[in-house]
Amino acid sequence: KAGVTQTPRYLIKTRGQQVTLSCSPISGHRSVSWYQQTPGQGLQFLFEYFSETQRNKGNFPGRFSGRQFSNSRSEMNVSTLELGDSALYLCASSLAGLADTQYFGPGTRLTVL
Amino acid sequence: GEDVEQSLFLSVREGDSSVINCTYTDSSSTYLYWYKQEPGAGLQLLTYIFSNMDMKQDQRLTVLLNKKDKHLSLRIADTQTGDSAIYFCAEKQIKAAGNKLTFGGGTRVLVKP
Repeated sequence: KAGVTQTPRYLIKTRGQQVTLSCSPISGHRSVSWYQQTPGQGLQFLFEYFSETQRNKGNFPGRFSGRQFSNSRSEMNVSTLELGDSALYLCASSLAGLADTQYFGPGTRLTVL
Repeated sequence: GEDVEQSLFLSVREGDSSVINCTYTDSSSTYLYWYKQEPGAGLQLLTYIFSNMDMKQDQRLTVLLNKKDKHLSLRIADTQTGDSAIYFCAEKQIKAAGNKLTFGGGTRVLVKP
């Protein structure tokens, strides 16, 4: 069974631009979560989607948004990019339930210049 | 509280055992996870334990949980150079809506030949 895939793997953007990252979960998984990893703040939870609905949200500004499609694929969008948005963005999928284990993708490395 | 804390660095000789420690603060029912991250990669799930268990063993990995002290440890037997990586512990509160993992800052493990 294929793992979690994320595209693109690397992105370079400039301040003020917007970016969309994509995540395809493991087949059959219906929950997709997003995390931001930076050297300063570590791994922080962004949001989780389940059945096309946001089920949980972390403490990030409204510039960070996401959505989930009927095939469980998810996208996250960051508008008006700031230098501090440079990070590794990780996506994780799980079957559905709250007790289900999350499996992570390789991440998208975003650099904002 | 949701703080998860880990020591920053561990150096170990090849063939020795490694012990990585983690403390968590949430007192409700929770799952506790260990993930491994190699350079440039996402998070690889190593093992997990539910908060009503004391110990779990999986091949070279042993997880010990001290609920009274809210202390979690991961022991890697016969440590190999391929075990050099950053190890993260994470907790998930069952009572919380959705799948949100709270991560520690990570322990960098260096295995010397």
